Amino acid sequence: RKEVEQDPGPFNVPEGATVAFNCTYSNSASQSFFWYRQDCRKEPKLLMSVYSSGNEDGRFTAQLNRASQYISLLIRDSKLSDSATYLCVVGGGGSSNTGKLIFGQGTTLQVKP
Amino acid sequence: DTAVSQTPKYLVTQMGNDKSIKCEQNLGHDTMYWYKQDSKKFLKIMFSYNNKELIINETVPNRFSPKSPDKAHLNLHINSLELGDSAVYFCASSQDFGTGVYNEQFFGPGTRLTVL
Repeated sequence: RKEVEQDPGPFNVPEGATVAFNCTYSNSASQSFFWYRQDCRKEPKLLMSVYSSGNEDGRFTAQLNRASQYISLLIRDSKLSDSATYLCVVGGGGSSNTGKLIFGQGTTLQVKP
Repeated sequence: DTAVSQTPKYLVTQMGNDKSIKCEQNLGHDTMYWYKQDSKKFLKIMFSYNNKELIINETVPNRFSPKSPDKAHLNLHINSLELGDSAVYFCASSQDFGTGVYNEQFFGPGTRLTVL
């Protein structure tokens, strides 16, 4: 089983749609959770951290369910510029926090006009 | 000004050659990383250094050797290149080591290595 699993997609949605991505992780001791965004042939960039209580940043909402080891990202009112690959990232979980992040394969989103 | 820079951006070479990739960050961070992103897009940590000290050393062939001359630089030397080494290599940096939500990792633009 992969340590962080995501549906690779692609998700093809029209502008203005709401789209949700899910991710599961295998290490129940994981301590930190993130969504990164990676544009085609570019480097990953932090989109948002994911807090236990859930958090929102504009059109983006992230949720964490520790009991189910499940993370989600909701994008409302999709824009063409949201087209990218979204990487679910999990950190910590070892006996020492060495900064090791585990990346999912990514979910590709294509927003169409 | 580029925060995390890597050279070269593209590297095409023959099997068996030795090559180096350089990384520099001007963010004043203490920790730097090397990641490999393979053709299936999985991004995996290879090494990390904190203030020139090796922190993470994942199971990578010993043909890969990182070197950190100072905390702003982390280079990656690869000996006897193999076809399977073809990938995009990303350098990253963060304020310190640890995966707290405060400790964002900033990535360089990547080096696309092709081994023929």
